[in-house]
Amino acid sequence: DAGVTQSPTHLIKTRGQHVTLRCSPISGHKSVSWYQQVLGQGPQFIFQYYEKEERGRGNFPDRFSARQFPNYSSELNVNALLLGDSALYLCASSLEGLAGGGDTQYFGPGTRLTVL
Amino acid sequence: GESVGLHLPTLSVQEGDNSIINCAYSNSASDYFIWYKQESGKGPQFIIDIRSNMDKRQGQRVTVLLNKTVKHLSLQIAATQPGDSAVYFCAERNQAGTALIFGKGTTLSVSS
Repeated sequence: DAGVTQSPTHLIKTRGQHVTLRCSPISGHKSVSWYQQVLGQGPQFIFQYYEKEERGRGNFPDRFSARQFPNYSSELNVNALLLGDSALYLCASSLEGLAGGGDTQYFGPGTRLTVL
Repeated sequence: GESVGLHLPTLSVQEGDNSIINCAYSNSASDYFIWYKQESGKGPQFIIDIRSNMDKRQGQRVTVLLNKTVKHLSLQIAATQPGDSAVYFCAERNQAGTALIFGKGTTLSVSS
């Protein structure tokens, strides 16, 4: 079975541009979460979606937005890119989300975003 | 606030030794914890999880111990192999049940 897939693998943008990252969850999983991982640190939570609705949002500016589609895939959008947005963006999928009592999140390989 | 940290940033062991990676968490109400392994250039890979109603859980060559009294979590890897070399993260579910809170990670280096 395919795991979580993300595209693109790598991306280079310049300051001020916007970017769209895509994620397809494991088949049967209805929840998708997005995390940002800066080099040398653990992943930081950005969003969680379940059944196309936002369930949680981390401490990120409004430049970050996301959505989930009827097929449970998801997009993360970042506007007005800053140098500090350079990071590995990870998508994780789970059956129903963490609120159900500890639903395991499985991560994709990530998208490496470099902002110049 | 909620935070998860690891005691040591790096751990070096010999092949065949047992490894113990430690993690301290701050939220006494946390009820779900996960250990992930992350190899260079890859996403975190699920290793094992544990709920707060358990003290110990075993998987294949791995054991997670949870001490709620001192808010401490550990991952034990038996007969460590070179392929176990990676960064290991512990994570706890946040109070809202919407996110995992990660620590900074421990880099495990296994020499043969």
